[in-house]
Amino acid sequence: GAVVSQHPSRVICKSGTSVKIECRSLDFQATTMFWYRQFPKKSLMLMATSNEGSKATYEQGVEKDKFLINHASLTLSTLTVTSAHPEDSSFYICSATPDSQGNQPQHFGDGTRLSIL
Amino acid sequence: AQRVTQPEKLLSVFKGAPVELKCNYSYSGSPELFWYVQYSRQRLQLLLRHISRESIKGFTADLNKGETSFHLKKPFAQEEDSAMYYCALINSGGYQKVTFGTGTKLQVIP
Repeated sequence: GAVVSQHPSRVICKSGTSVKIECRSLDFQATTMFWYRQFPKKSLMLMATSNEGSKATYEQGVEKDKFLINHASLTLSTLTVTSAHPEDSSFYICSATPDSQGNQPQHFGDGTRLSIL
Repeated sequence: AQRVTQPEKLLSVFKGAPVELKCNYSYSGSPELFWYVQYSRQRLQLLLRHISRESIKGFTADLNKGETSFHLKKPFAQEEDSAMYYCALINSGGYQKVTFGTGTKLQVIP
């Protein structure tokens, strides 16, 4: 089946640093990739949608300058949390799909636990 | 706006008992609904989607547009079914925005 690899699985860093999370589709070309954030005791919340070669579409309330998304190739999307602060600590999950028309399901990475001290 | 509601945070059943995980949705268009499952320490994975009308691991879910529900059912729970289950809705029209419910933790008691 389709595999999505997300790296790193866990990161702990000091406040003010920037953290980059990678999401790779290993055996298919991901036309569209999604980034989610999971708050404690809440559901997965979509942060942004990225299509290869174009700017990401951010959901309302998500700071695009804070959460930089790059989808430079059909197999790689990155999320960079810039100048991270403790409130950015969360669980981030990416997903990918080869289909931009909504006919195929998304495949999820394992997620990244981000802890900002 | 689209919304998915899973009213139960935790559902505990005994092994062999029937299981029903509730999911209600609100969406103005024609929705596409999914159930995702996350086993302990594993990634979120697709369990089933309503358009395929298939049974996966003994689970089924029927879309009831009148009641705007997509409850997940299994006649006899097994211990390996213990996991976190998320109901999700994808809007129609090519922009694959997914809205998740808050999830229900299923605990099957041996």
